[in-house]
Amino acid sequence: GENVEQHPSTLSVQEGDSAVIKCTYSDSASNYFPWYKQELGKGPQLIIDIRSNVGEKKDQRIAVTLNKTAKHFSLHITETQPEDSAVYFCAASIGGGADGLTFGKGTHLIIQP
Amino acid sequence: SQTIHQWPATLVQPVGSPLSLECTVEGTSNPNLYWYRQAAGRGLQLLFYSVGIGQISSEVPQNLSASRPQDRQFILSSKKLLLSDSGFYLCAGQGLGEAFFGQGTRLTVV
Repeated sequence: GENVEQHPSTLSVQEGDSAVIKCTYSDSASNYFPWYKQELGKGPQLIIDIRSNVGEKKDQRIAVTLNKTAKHFSLHITETQPEDSAVYFCAASIGGGADGLTFGKGTHLIIQP
Repeated sequence: SQTIHQWPATLVQPVGSPLSLECTVEGTSNPNLYWYRQAAGRGLQLLFYSVGIGQISSEVPQNLSASRPQDRQFILSSKKLLLSDSGFYLCAGQGLGEAFFGQGTRLTVV
């Protein structure tokens, strides 16, 4: 089955700096890669996703890049703000397959004021 | 928009008692539905998934069971809770690729 590795497990950056979280996946058939943000005590919320026919996608301060050859994808957050502090999960799936998404173990992003 | 309603938000149950967590979906029909458990505020472990009414697949052997009596209803159950069943349980639905989550249930078995 699919295996998703996520790094780092904890990331602390100064407010206003950029943050980058990286994930690798094992199944070359995976073609859908979402990123979720989870605030304390709440369910994960989708913040951005990318499909395998696209190399990069951007939405305001967040962007995701995908390298299918290397089987890795990354989340980039620019101009970080205190409200960006949360746990971020990457995931991979094969076209919304019935067994769903395989998640990374999460990155705790801490924005230092 | 697609929405998952999950309740209760928190639950404290004694060891050996039964469990029933319910999840309902709005905004989509015939979704795939999932129950995840999240330990120590981190990784998401898939427990069960369902592609339709009455169809349940289990990912890990455990003390829990799941049922899907209606297209938009997914239930997580146990006949006798163990201490190790404590955790944060998330229901999720998936339509055309995007998965959407409920707000979770914090279960504490005492």
